[in-house]
Formats: sequence, structure tokens, C-alpha cells
Amino acid sequence: GENVEQHPSTLSVQEGDSAVIKCTYSDSASNYFPWYKQELGKRPQLIIDIRSNVGEKKDQRIAVTLNKTAKHFSLHITETQPEDSAVYFCAASDSGYSTLTFGKGTMLLVSP
Amino acid sequence: DTAVSQTPKYLVTQMGNDKSIKCEQNLGHDTMYWYKQDSKKFLKIMFSYNNKELIINETVPNRFSPKSPDKAHLNLHINSLELGDSAVYFCASSQRRGTSIYTFGSGTRLTVV
Repeated sequence: GENVEQHPSTLSVQEGDSAVIKCTYSDSASNYFPWYKQELGKRPQLIIDIRSNVGEKKDQRIAVTLNKTAKHFSLHITETQPEDSAVYFCAASDSGYSTLTFGKGTMLLVSP
Repeated sequence: DTAVSQTPKYLVTQMGNDKSIKCEQNLGHDTMYWYKQDSKKFLKIMFSYNNKELIINETVPNRFSPKSPDKAHLNLHINSLELGDSAVYFCASSQRRGTSIYTFGSGTRLTVV
């Protein structure tokens, strides 16, 4: 089955800095890579996703890059704000019947 | 209207008891899931259910059993609760398995004492 590794487990930045979270996956058949944000005490919510036919995708301050050859993908947050503080999960799945496999999460702390 | 709703939000119970958590989605999705989130925040798939096809994560103890009376509901029944079952349980749904966006419920915090 799929295995997703996520680093770092904790990331502390100052407001306005950029933050990068990296994930690697094991199954070369995987072609869908979403990112979820979970605020304290809340449910995980999708913030951005990328499919294997795209190398990069942006949505305002967040972007995701994908390197299928190396089997890794990354989340980039620019101009971080305190409200970006949360746990971020990467995930991967293929287009068949597999469920999403999540990474272990990164706790992002943005200090004012 | 809440898209994916779970009840109860909090559940405190003694070891050895049997309990159920209910989940309902009004999105018309075909697939529903149960995930367990432990104290380290790791989201682990327990079950997925699609058109009466149940896929079980082989690491889940058989004390856990999903029950789906219809496409919009996937309940989780737990027998003989143990201390290690304490966690937050999330229900989720997606249009189809694999590459669809997951919508999560608000979670049920289970504490076994």
C-alpha cells in the first residue's frame, strides 16, 4: 500500500516569512495529492490539491509543487499570518479504489 | 445544513462498554469513511464504504464494525472498549473513492476511562 512521509513535524516561523512542508510517497501509481489544514479542535479541510499531470498549482498565498520522478510534493505558504497556524496534512491516492493515505502532519506555528 | 454530521461530539465511557458513533452526509456522495486521529494527530483510515462494498484496514480490531443502513449513513460500533481506543474519530465522505475531495465531519472525541 501507499506510504506518505511528511517533514517537518513542527515548523515555527515569524509572521511574513514563508513556510515549506515536504512530503514523499511510495506508490508510483499515485496521481492525486491534496493538502488539508486542521485548526485546533476543528475538522481537516482541503486547502489545495494537485494531480499528476500538473507540476505546480497556486492559489493566492499557497502553492503546491509535484515532482513525480522523485515522488515528492511540497506545500509553500508565502507571507504567513497567525491564522495560518494549524496542522497541515499531505495525502496521496491513485485513481482506482484506494483511499487517501495521509502523512503524519506538520504543526505550523506563526508568531506575530 | 451541515454537510457531514457526527453524533455525539464527545463520548466518555468506561472500559468494556459498547458504544456507537453516528455519521450522516447530505452531499449525495457515494463513499464514506471512518478515520481515527490519535493524540499525535495521525489520521489513520479505518474503513471505507462504497455502494455496499466495505474495505477494512486490516490493522483495525474486529471490535470495530461499521454499519451502513443507506448511502447517506455510516455508523461506527465499538465493542468492549479499551483505553487505547481513546481518540478523535472522524467520519468523511467523497463523491467517489480515490481522487475526490473528502469532506470531514466535526469529529467525535472518545475518552475511555
